[in-house]
Amino acid sequence: GEDVEQSLFLSVREGDSSVINCTYTDSSSTYLYWYKQEPGAGLQLLTYIFSNMDMKQDQRLTVLLNKKDKHLSLRIADTQTGDSAIYFCAEDITGGGNKLTFGTGTQLKVEL
Amino acid sequence: GAVVSQHPSWVICKSGTSVKIECRSLDFQATTMFWYRQFPKQSLMLMATSNEGSKATYEQGVEKDKFLINHASLTLSTLTVTSAHPEDSSFYICSATRSTGSTEAFFGQGTRLTVV
Repeated sequence: GEDVEQSLFLSVREGDSSVINCTYTDSSSTYLYWYKQEPGAGLQLLTYIFSNMDMKQDQRLTVLLNKKDKHLSLRIADTQTGDSAIYFCAEDITGGGNKLTFGTGTQLKVEL
Repeated sequence: GAVVSQHPSWVICKSGTSVKIECRSLDFQATTMFWYRQFPKQSLMLMATSNEGSKATYEQGVEKDKFLINHASLTLSTLTVTSAHPEDSSFYICSATRSTGSTEAFFGQGTRLTVV
């Protein structure tokens, strides 16, 4: 089966780092993604990681992948109020076919 | 970057009528498009995979006669919700990929459907 779990809500202060966690069950995932969704809008791809990598950094974003534990995390450094949104992790087990299984979503609230 | 546009952004319709939602890739050709459904405060659930020139592949539990998908060209896929009922009210989002093996799917802005 393909179950992707995330915590539902995270609140941080502006300027702090945010860490959003995701666990998945399908070990055949090839790509793992992080998407951002603002209210009433579609999804914006933030970053992705190939399954043979354990870390990827892209400006304020750091993705860590622990394939053994099937655990994925997204760290946002210097979190800003504009980062407030729902964050979804997603896995693609089709080898780049882009048929994605999404996590439950984590609502990030950034407070002043 | 690639742009995917959905139309309409939101629609209200009467129960029993049909609604068509369009998904267009504006600056690239999309061999495959995906249709997702999102209930309030929930994740996206894949409904079907739409391939240009062939029949859509529906996920388990999705009624293909209720959710008609047509992918007539490399830049347009449509989802028609037939005989809509209030329980069909949801946020429908499409995504498109340039080609098989591409690492990125580009998402439309979504369509909010309310059936009254």
